[in-house]
Amino acid sequence: EIVLTQSPGTLSLSPGERATLFCRASQSVSKSYLVWYQQKPGQGPRLLMNGASSRASGIPDRFSGSGSGTDFTLTINRVEPEDFAVYYCQQYGSSLTFGGGTKVEIK
Amino acid sequence: EVKLLESGGVLGQPGGSLRLSCEASGFTFRSYAMSWVRQAPGKGLEWVSTISGSGSNTYYPDSVKGRFTISRDNSKNTLYLQVNRLRAEDAAVYYCAKDKKPFGSYATAFDHWGQGSLVTVSS
Repeated sequence: EIVLTQSPGTLSLSPGERATLFCRASQSVSKSYLVWYQQKPGQGPRLLMNGASSRASGIPDRFSGSGSGTDFTLTINRVEPEDFAVYYCQQYGSSLTFGGGTKVEIK
Repeated sequence: EVKLLESGGVLGQPGGSLRLSCEASGFTFRSYAMSWVRQAPGKGLEWVSTISGSGSNTYYPDSVKGRFTISRDNSKNTLYLQVNRLRAEDAAVYYCAKDKKPFGSYATAFDHWGQGSLVTVSS
């Protein structure tokens, strides 16, 4: 099973700052099979990024993704108030697993 | 508009069984693999099952294999999850989720999620 480790566990930021979230895999994952979700309290997750770097439908361009192999990054340029949430990475290259999540909270 | 509507909260007893359902609308249900993903209180996401569009292929992680059964009725646009031999650690919100790509057999990523169905395990 591929284990995805997300860091940091919590990120405290002020609106307008940049958020950088990390996802490390225990073995190499094709970037085509790495995605990111956003989850707000009481809601199901929302697909943000496909294939590590391709924004899903309706996702604003302040969200970007990068990475390959075992290390992937989600960046939010100029965090907006609606971006405070929990973010998960997920891989489906070998079975299907999620990372433990990063909470982006208001500082 | 895609909608996934899970059955309401369910209370089950340790060792007992329950069935969750998810009614889909707004897309060609039979063309998409569907999955269940759960989230224990205050915890992260855990994939627990996938079924192909036709229903002929099913997949489970080792953690639930033999106790969980996923099924679907394409004539009713409804997805099901049967959970047997309930354990305390099965308590969670269970989400049904639609695969992003049509005609796939296995789950890839999920572009629509339901609002979740809360499973409580208590005697």
